[in-house]
Amino acid sequence: GENVEQHPSTLSVQEGDSAVIKCTYSDSASNYFPWYKQELGKRPQLIIDIRSNVGEKKDQRIAVTLNKTAKHFSLHITETQPEDSAVYFCAASINGGNFGNEKLTFGTGTRLTIIP
Amino acid sequence: DTGVSQDPRHKITKRGQNVTFRCDPISEHNRLYWYRQTLGQGPEFLTYFQNEAQLEKSRLLSDRFSAERPKGSFSTLEIQRTEQGDSAMYLCASSSGLLASGDTQYFGPGTRLTVL
Repeated sequence: GENVEQHPSTLSVQEGDSAVIKCTYSDSASNYFPWYKQELGKRPQLIIDIRSNVGEKKDQRIAVTLNKTAKHFSLHITETQPEDSAVYFCAASINGGNFGNEKLTFGTGTRLTIIP
Repeated sequence: DTGVSQDPRHKITKRGQNVTFRCDPISEHNRLYWYRQTLGQGPEFLTYFQNEAQLEKSRLLSDRFSAERPKGSFSTLEIQRTEQGDSAMYLCASSSGLLASGDTQYFGPGTRLTVL
């Protein structure tokens, strides 16, 4: 099955600096790559996603890049703010085929701390 | 609130007791997923429903676990003879279409289970 690795496990950056989180996946059939932000005790919230027909996607201060050949994708947060502090998870999903099961395989998470 | 809802939010039980959780997906979402998240880890897939049909179960789902979605709307997850290792956050997610085609998997707030 799919395996997703995520690095680093913890990341501290000064407010205003950029943060980068990287993930690799194992199954070349994966075609959907979301990033979720999870604050303590709360549900995972989708912040950005990318599909395999696109190499890069940006939404204000957040961007994601995808390298299908190398099977890795990255989250970039610019101009970080204290409210960006949270745990971030990457995930990958394979086309569901006839059954439509697009279960997400998650990385182990990155605890991002923004230092004021 | 039109998002995914789960009930209860917290459950404390003694080892050996049975527990049941409920998930109400977003209206008209025909795909429903259960995940389990332990402390410091990403969510792990447990089972998937398309309408009322349970189409995939993870090997994580032992014989003590059973899930239903009798009318293709809400779903229940039951754990029989709970063990301390079952302590985790149980997350439900739903989607209406294919992730690869532009849809998103939306998560509920989760049910935190503590087995004493």
